[in-house]
Amino acid sequence: KAGVTQTPRYLIKTRGQQVTLSCSPISGHRSVSWYQQTPGQGLQFLFEYFSETQRNKGNFPGRFSGRQFSNSRSEMNVSTLELGDSALYLCASSSQGDEQFFGPGTRLTVL
Amino acid sequence: QKEVEQDPGPLSVPEGAIVSLNCTYSNSAFQYFMWYRQYSRKGPELLMYTYSSGNKEDGRFTAQVDKSSKYISLFIRDSQPSDSATYLCAMSEIYTGFQKLVFGTGTRLLVSP
Repeated sequence: KAGVTQTPRYLIKTRGQQVTLSCSPISGHRSVSWYQQTPGQGLQFLFEYFSETQRNKGNFPGRFSGRQFSNSRSEMNVSTLELGDSALYLCASSSQGDEQFFGPGTRLTVL
Repeated sequence: QKEVEQDPGPLSVPEGAIVSLNCTYSNSAFQYFMWYRQYSRKGPELLMYTYSSGNKEDGRFTAQVDKSSKYISLFIRDSQPSDSATYLCAMSEIYTGFQKLVFGTGTRLLVSP
């Protein structure tokens, strides 16, 4: 069974740009969560989608948004990038809200 | 103050040692307690989880939760070089279950042969 895949794996952007990250969950999983990981703050929850609906949301500004498609694939978007948005963005999928399986992450660098 | 506090380490031990990893938390509503392991350039993988208080054992790993002290621990017996990784504790409230996890910053463990 294929694991969670995230694309791209690495990304370099400049301040003010926007970025879209993609996550393909494990086949059959309907829940997708996104986390931001930085050395200082660790992993912080961004949001969770289940059957195309945002079910939970963390404490991030509105520049961070996401969506989920009917095939459970998910995208997250960050608009007006700031230097502090440089981080590893992790996606995790689960079947019915139980154990989450994480992908390898997308490393975003904002210059 | 963060909801979950974890010593970042690094913690260096010789092969075969017993390792103790700990987290403290402030939110009394946390009911699910998890330990994840993260290797370099990989996503976290779930090692163990417990619901509410008590102990849970799985092979060389033992997880303990003391809700009265708001303190959780992970013990690794007979540590191996392959255990070298960052260990993350994570917690959540009952109504979010395994979702909306609150993580510690992680403890880096180095097991030398």
